[in-house]
Amino acid sequence: SAVISQKPSRDICQRGTSLTIQCQVDSQVTMMFWYRQQPGQSLTLIATANQGSEATYESGFVIDKFPISRPNLTFSTLTVSNMSPEDSSIYLCSVEDPQGGLSGANVLTFGAGSRLTVL
Amino acid sequence: GQNIDQPTEMTATEGAIVQINCTYQTSGFNGLFWYQQHAGEAPTFLSYNVLDGLEEKGRFSSFLSRSKGYSYLLLKELQMKDSASYLCAVVEGGYQKVTFGTGTKLQVIP
Repeated sequence: SAVISQKPSRDICQRGTSLTIQCQVDSQVTMMFWYRQQPGQSLTLIATANQGSEATYESGFVIDKFPISRPNLTFSTLTVSNMSPEDSSIYLCSVEDPQGGLSGANVLTFGAGSRLTVL
Repeated sequence: GQNIDQPTEMTATEGAIVQINCTYQTSGFNGLFWYQQHAGEAPTFLSYNVLDGLEEKGRFSSFLSRSKGYSYLLLKELQMKDSASYLCAVVEGGYQKVTFGTGTKLQVIP
């Protein structure tokens, strides 16, 4: 399965600043996904990043707050802009790994996540 | 949209069997995943069901009933290392969007 590297692994940020999270995959993938996991919560999809086109955002998430870049098939960035304490969360990058076989499932493989704390 | 429900927490004894249930409502079901997430780590894939029935993989099995909007994850011969959160995730429609449930935190005790 794909190997995903995310950085930073964690950071402490000041209110009002912005932070960019990087995601590097060891193989070319069509779609990359950005999730948020708030403390004690499950994963919420922020957006889907496709190479060569604008990211597709889920309800409740906007490009101005979470701009995404996808310059090639192995790399993406997510920026958390104008941060507030409510943005304190783990942000995870993921890609689909086709399992093949009878199920034909595209399993999501996740990076280790970036834990942001906003003061 | 989707609505996915799981118990918040469960406790089970080492060596025992535990069943974690997941119910869902979706407009276009296209498969269901179970993921395991240890504290501070990324989720990892456990199982995938798209047809009704039981899928067995070692100590873990997953069951799906599409007509009832219901799945469960069965963990046998529990080990302490099985203490983790277990996330039910539903794949919706042609867009293949994956929506996660809130997760069940399982604690295995001696």
